[in-house]
Amino acid sequence: DAGVIQSPRHEVTEMGQEVTLRCKPISGHDYLFWYRQTMMRGLELLIYFNNNVPIDDSGMPEDRFSAKMPNASFSTLKIQPSEPRDSAVYFCASGSGDAFFGQGTRLTVV
Amino acid sequence: RKEVEQDPGPFNVPEGATVAFNCTYSNSASQSFFWYRQDCRKEPKLLMSVYSSGNEDGRFTAQLNRASQYISLLIRDSKLSDSATYLCVVNALGNFNKFYFGSGTKLNVKP
Repeated sequence: DAGVIQSPRHEVTEMGQEVTLRCKPISGHDYLFWYRQTMMRGLELLIYFNNNVPIDDSGMPEDRFSAKMPNASFSTLKIQPSEPRDSAVYFCASGSGDAFFGQGTRLTVV
Repeated sequence: RKEVEQDPGPFNVPEGATVAFNCTYSNSASQSFFWYRQDCRKEPKLLMSVYSSGNEDGRFTAQLNRASQYISLLIRDSKLSDSATYLCVVNALGNFNKFYFGSGTKLNVKP
């Protein structure tokens, strides 16, 4: 199995631009998670899905953030408009009672 | 109060030493506990689950103390390759699949 696949690995964008992060979970996992990691706040859960349905989005910082999971093999996290304080590493993880992480997307908003 | 709290360290130990980390959690009803390992600029990787009776995987031993609401990780005969940040993970109240991560304990194993 290739594991959780995220793209892009690195993204540099200007403030105000839309950013879309992509994730392909491990086949057969029924949960998908989006996390954000910064030095100041550590690893924060933004949102998670069960069988493609969003279950808890209480960690999404504000309306500029949205996430979708149109099918079992694909999810997106979108930030629109992006701000410098959104700079972080964004991880997607999938699991069934646990969580296996992708390599992350390092986002820099300038 | 944070759901999961860890000593950030760093713990600086020589090769071959035994080192232990603790992690406290706030939700007494938590049922799922894990230790993850994260190398610099890499993703967290599942190290081991923590079971009520305690469990061992090679040089690594995990323990759960429900009365005091903490979990521990013991590493024996530490190797240079054990240098990493160790993250404690606990599930949320009433939700086996919502996980809270501690901020991690950094371990440096020196030659």
